[in-house]
Amino acid sequence: QKEVEQNSGPLSVPEGAIASLNCTYSDRGSQSFFWYRQYSGKSPELIMFIYSNGDKEDGRFTAQLNKASQYVSLLIRDSQPSDSATYLCAVFDSNYQLIWGAGTKLIIKP
Amino acid sequence: DTEVTQTPKHLVMGMTNKKSLKCEQHMGHRAMYWYKQKAKKPPELMFVYSYEKLSINESVPSRFSPECPNSSLLNLHLHALQPEDSALYLCASSPGQGAPGELFFGEGSRLTVL
Repeated sequence: QKEVEQNSGPLSVPEGAIASLNCTYSDRGSQSFFWYRQYSGKSPELIMFIYSNGDKEDGRFTAQLNKASQYVSLLIRDSQPSDSATYLCAVFDSNYQLIWGAGTKLIIKP
Repeated sequence: DTEVTQTPKHLVMGMTNKKSLKCEQHMGHRAMYWYKQKAKKPPELMFVYSYEKLSINESVPSRFSPECPNSSLLNLHLHALQPEDSALYLCASSPGQGAPGELFFGEGSRLTVL
């Protein structure tokens, strides 16, 4: 059973600090990696994707991929209360299936 | 504003009713999806249409029947549902094989089965 694991949280971070969200996956042949943000009662929204080892930055968001250790992380700098949401990690695996993690609930405290 | 539009936003139906959920996208995407999401759970894939052909059916009960009339439209026909089918039904599109996993979701249709 191929798995994507995330800490369910909640992860509480002070406003202005860096929020660090982590995701591990079991399929070493996984090809691409995605972070979705989902506000309560809303639909998921793609915020970052990464295909290669290393870091990818987009504004306040940085995705980090380490294929050797089979983890992907999302850093949110200068966290804002509007960043409070559930963050879903999704992994496109070697069977061409998108496997979702259960999500981490992030709370940014003013 | 989402570029994937779903109607209705809310639907309440009895177990003997027949209803349909509709989805429309105008981004030129060639893959469209139906997902089901229960509270505090990740989205669960139901169907995938690629180039207007059903390419994935994740062993969904026959009381759910998808239809893709053209490259912009996706329907989900509902019949004889059970209370446990109550959930948020999400439509998504993606550019296609070159961008797997890059999904653009509609706002969802929240379904309650009485």
